[in-house]
Amino acid sequence: DQQVKQNSPSLSVQEGRISILNCDYTNSMFDYFLWYKKYPAEGPTFLISISSIKDKNEDGRFTVFLNKSAKHLSLHIVPSQPGDSAVYFCAASASNQFYFGTGTSLTVIP
Amino acid sequence: GAGVSQSPSNKVTEKGKDVELRCDPISGHTALYWYRQSLGQGLEFLIYFQGNSAPDKSGLPSDRFSAERTGGSVSTLTIQRTQQEDSAVYLCASSLALAGESNEQFFGPGTRLTVL
Repeated sequence: DQQVKQNSPSLSVQEGRISILNCDYTNSMFDYFLWYKKYPAEGPTFLISISSIKDKNEDGRFTVFLNKSAKHLSLHIVPSQPGDSAVYFCAASASNQFYFGTGTSLTVIP
Repeated sequence: GAGVSQSPSNKVTEKGKDVELRCDPISGHTALYWYRQSLGQGLEFLIYFQGNSAPDKSGLPSDRFSAERTGGSVSTLTIQRTQQEDSAVYLCASSLALAGESNEQFFGPGTRLTVL
């Protein structure tokens, strides 16, 4: 039973444009949400996070939005750069247990 | 830099054999997690260690899987009598496990296990 879902397995965006990656979750007890970025043959690396008491967190080109009523999370990357091409995992946590989505492969076209 | 390290990076084994996967977390991190990623799947939680507390084993898929964490540092994931469906990338992560927004996990590069 997948508690965190990323319904888009892949996304292609032109360099300089906005990338929007989406994530849905089912458990209202999640109190912390994270995005990780993964390059081939490497482990995931932390990108940005948001606690359930906030609806937006911004860090440079990356912004995470949380809509608790819709149980929806999104990551905005603007402007997108070719180096952003990677697999992005959404994760949610409760009681220090983490649940990951299946990932979205982002390709930024130069 | 002293990140999370895992060994071996690749392991090919025959069905029915036992394997041991090792994780060296970041020094000072009290929390350690094991995940696996099968082809086309997300990261599947396996087990969680926090300090000296009893580990959360709720994600282990069968009793062939076990893990230890000695001295609050290095962890070993053991898979007995491996099956072909055990083939996956096994990822280890550690964190400070603090409350609030600082409890990000730092992942190792993973061990790719192939069971023939």
